[in-house]
Amino acid sequence: QKEVEQNSGPLSVPEGAIASLNCTYSDRGSQSFFWYRQYSGKSPELIMFIYSNGDKEDGRFTAQLNKASQYVSLLIRDSQPSDSATYLCAVSSGAGSYQLTFGKGTKLSVIP
Amino acid sequence: NAGVTQTPKFQVLKTGQSMTLQCAQDMNHNSMYWYRQDPGMGLRLIYYSASEGTTDKGEVPNGYNVSRLNKREFSLRLESAAPSQTSVYFCASSEYGVTGELFFGEGSRLTVL
Repeated sequence: QKEVEQNSGPLSVPEGAIASLNCTYSDRGSQSFFWYRQYSGKSPELIMFIYSNGDKEDGRFTAQLNKASQYVSLLIRDSQPSDSATYLCAVSSGAGSYQLTFGKGTKLSVIP
Repeated sequence: NAGVTQTPKFQVLKTGQSMTLQCAQDMNHNSMYWYRQDPGMGLRLIYYSASEGTTDKGEVPNGYNVSRLNKREFSLRLESAAPSQTSVYFCASSEYGVTGELFFGEGSRLTVL
């Protein structure tokens, strides 16, 4: 059984701070890693994906991947109240895969 | 830009009733998926269709059937609804597989009494 673990939170950070969201996965064969954001009552939307070890930056978001430790994280710099949402970590086996395993999500609250 | 459209958005059923959730995408995607989302359980894959004409079981297929009607449409059927199927159901599509982005519909909230 492939597992993706996240702290459920809630994680509260003040506006302007860095929010750090963490995710671990059990399948060493995993190749593709995604972060989805889900606002309350809405559907998930992709914000970042990462395939290689190291950091990937996109605006205020940085995804970090360490395959040896089976760990992926998402940093949100200069957090805004509009970043308040549940963040879902998702993992797949890579090319040719149709099954994406989601974590249960971490609820982030950015306090003005 | 409709993207992925699901119907109905809300439905209440009695135990034993049947219903079909409809999903259509207008992005010419090959792959389509049905997920359910329950509090504390995250998103779980019910069935997927890698391409038109194929369907496969996901993590939690029991109690469900699917039909890939054509490239655009992928329906989910509950033949005899049970209270354990109370959930929010999301249809999603992707160009090909899950190496890229999944595009989700708005969700269908189903309550089985």
